[in-house]
Amino acid sequence: DADVTQTPRNRITKTGKRIMLECSQTKGHDRMYWYRQDPGLGLRLIYYSFDVKDINKGEISDGYSVSRQAQAKFSLSLESAIPNQTALYFCATSSSGNTEAFFGQGTRLTVV
Amino acid sequence: QKEVEQNSGPLSVPEGAIASLNCTYSDRVSQSFFWYRQYSGKSPELIMSIYSNGDKEDGRFTAQLNKASQYVSLLIRDSQPSDSATYLCAVIGANNLFFGTGTRLTVIP
Repeated sequence: DADVTQTPRNRITKTGKRIMLECSQTKGHDRMYWYRQDPGLGLRLIYYSFDVKDINKGEISDGYSVSRQAQAKFSLSLESAIPNQTALYFCATSSSGNTEAFFGQGTRLTVV
Repeated sequence: QKEVEQNSGPLSVPEGAIASLNCTYSDRVSQSFFWYRQYSGKSPELIMSIYSNGDKEDGRFTAQLNKASQYVSLLIRDSQPSDSATYLCAVIGANNLFFGTGTRLTVIP
């Protein structure tokens, strides 16, 4: 099993629908991140959390919200999906300190 | 100014050649630097980390860090077609992890 698991792996949804992307990890890391990736734009940070009671906005948080339900779980919600939120979404984790991040398999989201 | 800048490429090299990938960063206090490889549609995977000035070698990969000039590079020796991927530079700055837009590398057999 993967250390960082994202569900669903693929999702097609309609404009205006609420959708939740889930991430769970077995690495015991404190820090969790949500990124989106668009062609030519690299990985852009949406939200991050350094522990269960800590939630921080990233560079592109508008239209998104998150919940850190436990150390191992970090969910991303799109309250009212719009087509320009069509992208590849990645969850990542890292331990505290200056250490590398480990990524989930990604969720390909299409908003029609 | 973006935290991390990379030449988006694409970069094409013949099989067996050296591929050179470059990255600059804006936060002078950054301490940790990473190179990730990402195949199309897949998640990024870590291939190198470097924390001190100088070179760090791991097999065919060498990471180079120059904090005074705020750049980090990745050399891939004896490039193979399986090295064809997008390479992402990442830097920990302002207590967070920032990525460049990636350089697409194609190794031509």
